[in-house]
Amino acid sequence: AQTVTQSQPEMSVQEAETVTLSCTYDTSESDYYLFWYKQPPSRQMILVIRQEAYKQQNATENRFSVNFQKAAKSFSLKISDSQLGDAAMYFCAYRRGRGSEKLVFGKGTKLTVNP
Amino acid sequence: NAGVTQTPKFQVLKTGQSMTLQCAQDMNHEYMSWYRQDPGMGLRLIHYSVGAGITDQGEVPNGYNVSRSTTEDFPLRLLSAAPSQTSVYFCASSSLVRLYEQYFGPGTRLTVT
Repeated sequence: AQTVTQSQPEMSVQEAETVTLSCTYDTSESDYYLFWYKQPPSRQMILVIRQEAYKQQNATENRFSVNFQKAAKSFSLKISDSQLGDAAMYFCAYRRGRGSEKLVFGKGTKLTVNP
Repeated sequence: NAGVTQTPKFQVLKTGQSMTLQCAQDMNHEYMSWYRQDPGMGLRLIHYSVGAGITDQGEVPNGYNVSRSTTEDFPLRLLSAAPSQTSVYFCASSSLVRLYEQYFGPGTRLTVT
């Protein structure tokens, strides 16, 4: 079974600084997707960024980027120029490709942004 | 475009009561699923459906029933609520052709006393 591990229950960063959240996963599949979701206090799950396993290039969305290391099964999220609105729970998630509808989530990292 | 909607937003039940959490989507998505979120546990899959008339169990299905009579709706039933079912419940949907996008509803906070 696939597992997703987030080893940092909590992280903090100063406003305008950069922070990296860690995620590792375990799978025997070669075709899969990886995601980072943000959950602010409103509870809404917001997709931050995704990465297709077959793509070697790391995904980037504005201030958010990932470091995808397929061989190491590592998928970290880097937030640049952190803003107060980035404070939230961040979840790493895995989805097998080719017709799988199941998302497997990590336990989350609580990010605090200090002014 | 409403996306994924869930009702109610909050609910308090007594042990042994039954209720149905409603989920609807207007995107014509084939896939729909229910997750529960507990502190320190992340989200865990309860049940899912790949289309009308087709459902299957996820990681934590005990105590929950589902059915999918239409593409739009995917209700989650608690037949006899237990305190262990106190949680936040999320419904999600996605398209067969865009598996990399999953849309979540706003969640239902359920407390069982």
